[in-house]
Amino acid sequence: KAGVTQTPRYLIKTRGQQVTLSCSPISGHRSVSWYQQTPGQGLQFLFEYFSETQRNKGNFPGRFSGRQFSNSRSEMNVSTLELGDSALYLCASSLGLLGPNTEAFFGQGTRLTVV
Amino acid sequence: EDQVTQSPEALRLQEGESSSLNCSYTVSGLRGLFWYRQDPGKGPEFLFTLYSAGEEKEKERLKATLTKKESFLHITAPKPEDSATYLCAVQNILTGGGNKLTFGTGTQLKVEL
Repeated sequence: KAGVTQTPRYLIKTRGQQVTLSCSPISGHRSVSWYQQTPGQGLQFLFEYFSETQRNKGNFPGRFSGRQFSNSRSEMNVSTLELGDSALYLCASSLGLLGPNTEAFFGQGTRLTVV
Repeated sequence: EDQVTQSPEALRLQEGESSSLNCSYTVSGLRGLFWYRQDPGKGPEFLFTLYSAGEEKEKERLKATLTKKESFLHITAPKPEDSATYLCAVQNILTGGGNKLTFGTGTQLKVEL
């Protein structure tokens, strides 16, 4: 079955612009989480959506936002881009709450470069 | 605040030379500890979840163990294809029922012929 799909794979934006990243979870998965990965900080949790509701939010400024649609697809938006937002953005999906029979599967990520 | 510390940061092994990676954690209520493998340019790939101290899980040349303060990923007779970054993460039972994972910065493993 198809895995987690993230689009686009690569993106170059200018400081001050905004960007929208997309994530299509594995069919049937209702939980989608977003992470930012940088060489210095590693993977940091951005937010999680379950059945169109934000269930958890990490310590990121309000410029980072997200949403989930009724088909479980999710988007995240970053406004007023800064150089420090350059990172690999990863999306993970799962059936529901992580547990003995529920794993989180990651997509390939979107590499965002802010210039 | 949940914290995960992985050591060493980088490890170079000869093929067949067994070793262990360490993951120390501080969490107010551990729901699960996760191990992932990440290859360059790819997303993390799930390996194991451990839920309680004393639990062990195995997969091919990998074995993960858990105590109340740390987890070990033992690699037996590694091969070059085991070269990757290994990530450890914890899930806090007190995060309102969500799937938030707190990750360590990983151990970059290189296995040479």
